[in-house]
Amino acid sequence: AQRVTQPEKLLSVFKGAPVELKCNYSYSGSPELFWYVQYSRQRLQLLLRHISRESIKGFTADLNKGETSFHLKKPFAQEEDSAMYYCALSRGNAGNMLTFGGGTRLMVKP
Amino acid sequence: SQTIHQWPATLVQPVGSPLSLECTVEGTSNPNLYWYRQAAGRGLQLLFYSVGIGQISSEVPQNLSASRPQDRQFILSSKKLLLSDSGFYLCAGTGNRGYTFGSGTRLTVV
Repeated sequence: AQRVTQPEKLLSVFKGAPVELKCNYSYSGSPELFWYVQYSRQRLQLLLRHISRESIKGFTADLNKGETSFHLKKPFAQEEDSAMYYCALSRGNAGNMLTFGGGTRLMVKP
Repeated sequence: SQTIHQWPATLVQPVGSPLSLECTVEGTSNPNLYWYRQAAGRGLQLLFYSVGIGQISSEVPQNLSASRPQDRQFILSSKKLLLSDSGFYLCAGTGNRGYTFGSGTRLTVV
């Protein structure tokens, strides 16, 4: 069975500090992995996906198949990065449904 | 672009009462639609998904049911609510640009 684990429920850093939100997955097939973000009073939205290999709002995430991880990183956190972050895995079967991790709340302090 | 409309935003219902949450999709035809629930302190759990009218798949056994009477309408229902049904319910759909989420309904069963 597929599973996505985000070990930290809350991550608090100071503005300008590096940030890493951890995500580990278990899946027997070839996963497609995503990071979703929910800012205060906004809808859940896609931040980035591993197949795009892009940097969004300064965030990057590399899929490490050996460690089955997809950690989200940003070298210098900003206050506006404070939000709830969800790592998700697409099983690629009927419906392409997403399996979500438990989420990590990032708080960036001034 | 695809937009997911979901209502109501908040709902307080007594135990044993019925439930009907509606989700409608704008901007896409024949989307895959999903109902997720986030219970307090837990991640997003997939409840139901639908790949077309009248086609519903359930991911977990529960006190809830779903229906898709029209291509762009997805309804989450219960005949008798339990206290454990309290949570945050999200409707999502897949379109040309991946997943789009509704704004969610916070259900409190009292």
